[in-house]
Amino acid sequence: EIVMTQSPATLSVSPGERATLSCRASQSVSSNLAWYQQKPGQAPRLLIFGASTRATGIPARFSGSGSGTEFTLTISSLQSEDFAVYYCQQYNRWPRTFGQGTKVEIK
Amino acid sequence: EVQLVESGGGLVQPGGSLRFSCAASGFTFSNYWMSWVRQAPGKGLEWVANIKQDASEKYYVDSVKGRFTISRDNAKNSLYLEMDSLRAEDTAVYYCVRDWHHYDTLTRQYYYYMDVWGKGTTVTVSS
Repeated sequence: EIVMTQSPATLSVSPGERATLSCRASQSVSSNLAWYQQKPGQAPRLLIFGASTRATGIPARFSGSGSGTEFTLTISSLQSEDFAVYYCQQYNRWPRTFGQGTKVEIK
Repeated sequence: EVQLVESGGGLVQPGGSLRFSCAASGFTFSNYWMSWVRQAPGKGLEWVANIKQDASEKYYVDSVKGRFTISRDNAKNSLYLEMDSLRAEDTAVYYCVRDWHHYDTLTRQYYYYMDVWGKGTTVTVSS
């Protein structure tokens, strides 16, 4: 199975600052990469699919990039509601696998 | 509004069984692949199983093969997960998830991601 590795495990950012999260795949997943946001006590929410396409209703401050094995999720100006855990997931091959998550916390 | 609502979780002893369900609304349930994803306490996400629109195809993660059964009833807009021979490591929140796809004209394949999630139901396996 494809192993997804996210870094860093925790990212401390001040409100209004930019956050950059990384995700690496153990083999190429083309652009078949999604990002999810999960807040405490809530279900995950789809943010990005196809590596760079925002899901319906997702603000433009969220952007995704990359292809192959290296991917990035950027939050251009962190709002209070953005502090959460973010997971990447590859859906290029079965089984679909997730990264271990990056927690974005208030600095 | 598109909604997935799970029910039926609970406490069960090791070796026991549990069946829970997911009620879908706000979309044409029979048009979608559906999945179950779980999250152990304090851990990340793990895809567990998924099922095709007409239930003709079902897939499972290796750790649950032979113990879990995914099924659906399109007339009732419902998804199910039947779990047997439960182990402590099956303790988790189980999410009902809708799969959506895009089609790659180059590879001529569909690729499925998870676009709608339920709030989850908790399963605790403990004596």
